[in-house]
This record gives sequence, C-alpha cells and structure tokens, in this order.
Amino acid sequence: KAGVTQTPRYLIKTRGQQVTLSCSPISGHRSVSWYQQTPGQGLQFLFEYFSETQRNKGNFPGRFSGRQFSNSRSEMNVSTLELGDSALYLCASSLASAYNEQFFGPGTRLTVL
Amino acid sequence: KNQVEQSPQSLIILEGKNCTLQCNYTVSPFSNLRWYKQDTGRGPVSLTIMTFSENTKSNGRYTATLDADTKQSSLHITASQLSDSASYICVVSALGGYQKVTFGTGTKLQVIP
Repeated sequence: KAGVTQTPRYLIKTRGQQVTLSCSPISGHRSVSWYQQTPGQGLQFLFEYFSETQRNKGNFPGRFSGRQFSNSRSEMNVSTLELGDSALYLCASSLASAYNEQFFGPGTRLTVL
Repeated sequence: KNQVEQSPQSLIILEGKNCTLQCNYTVSPFSNLRWYKQDTGRGPVSLTIMTFSENTKSNGRYTATLDADTKQSSLHITASQLSDSASYICVVSALGGYQKVTFGTGTKLQVIP
C-alpha cells in the first residue's frame, strides 16, 4: 500500500512570495495533519483536516492556511513568506484522527531567501 | 499545560552498545504514547504505540516501557547499529475529542563505529 506522498520535496522561494505544498494521504485515510519542523522547535502542529473541514488548528499566523479535497488530498499554503518560514513541512495521515496512528510523508523542505 | 520532555537532548554511543532514551509527560487525561524514529531530512516513522494498560512493547531491537503512574516512558535500543542514528521523538495524546497531541523535541542519537 502506497505511503503518504508530498510534493514538491524541495522548494526555494524569496521573501514575500507565496507557496503551496501538496499531500496525498494513504488510501482510505481521511485525516490529514500538517506540521512544521525546525531544528530549534521540533515538530509544531499547524492544522488537521477531516472530510474537507479544518478540525483543529495550531498557533500559527493566518498566513498559513490549508484545505482538503473530497479525495482526502490536502494542500497547505503560506503567503507573504518570511525567512523564519524556512523549515521541513510534514504531512501525516491517519484513518480518522491524529489521535490514531499517524503516518508521515517525507516532507517538503522549504527554504526562504 | 500539556508538555512532553525528552532526555538526553543528544547522545553518542558506540556501535553494539545499548542505550535508553527518556520521555516524561504531563499530558492529561492520557490516551496513548508513541515513539517515532526520524532519519535526517525524512518524515518520522512509528516504532511503538502504547496505551494506558500496556507497560512494555517491543519492535525488534526497540523496547518501549510506560509507567502511567509516574508519567514516564523509556525507549531502550539493544545492540545499536549505525542505522539507528536518528532523532527519536516521543508523542503523547490526550483524551478529549479532537486531536490533543503533544510532541517532544526529540533525542538525537548518533551511533559511531
């Protein structure tokens, strides 16, 4: 069974630009969560989607947004990029909730110059 | 406030030796505790999941223990291999409907020949 896939794997942007990251969960998984990981902060929860609805949200500014499609695929958007947004962005899928076992994708490495 | 603290922050051991990583949490009410292994630049991979009633769970050379009374968990790695070099992240979930998942900042393990 195919794992969680994320595209692109690497991305370089400049300050002020916006970026969209994509995540395809494991087939049958309906919950998709997004995390930001930086060396100093560890994994920080961004938001969780279930059945196309944002179910929970972490403490990130409104520049970070997401959505989920009817096939459970999810996208995350960051607008007006800042240098501090440089991080590994991880997507995790689970059957019904981040409460269940989560399976992580390989991540998208975003570098903001 | 729910917190997960891991120790040590980093560890260097010789190949073939054993080691133990610690996780202390204040998450309440407790639901489950997971240990993840994360190779550099990759997404975390689940090693074990433990619920309140379980106090030991093994996955090959990895053995996790849980003491729900003292709110402590440990991950013991036996006969370490170079491929064990990674970050190990402790994740604790609380009961209560929506996702209430707290991540530790991880222990970075380096196994040297």
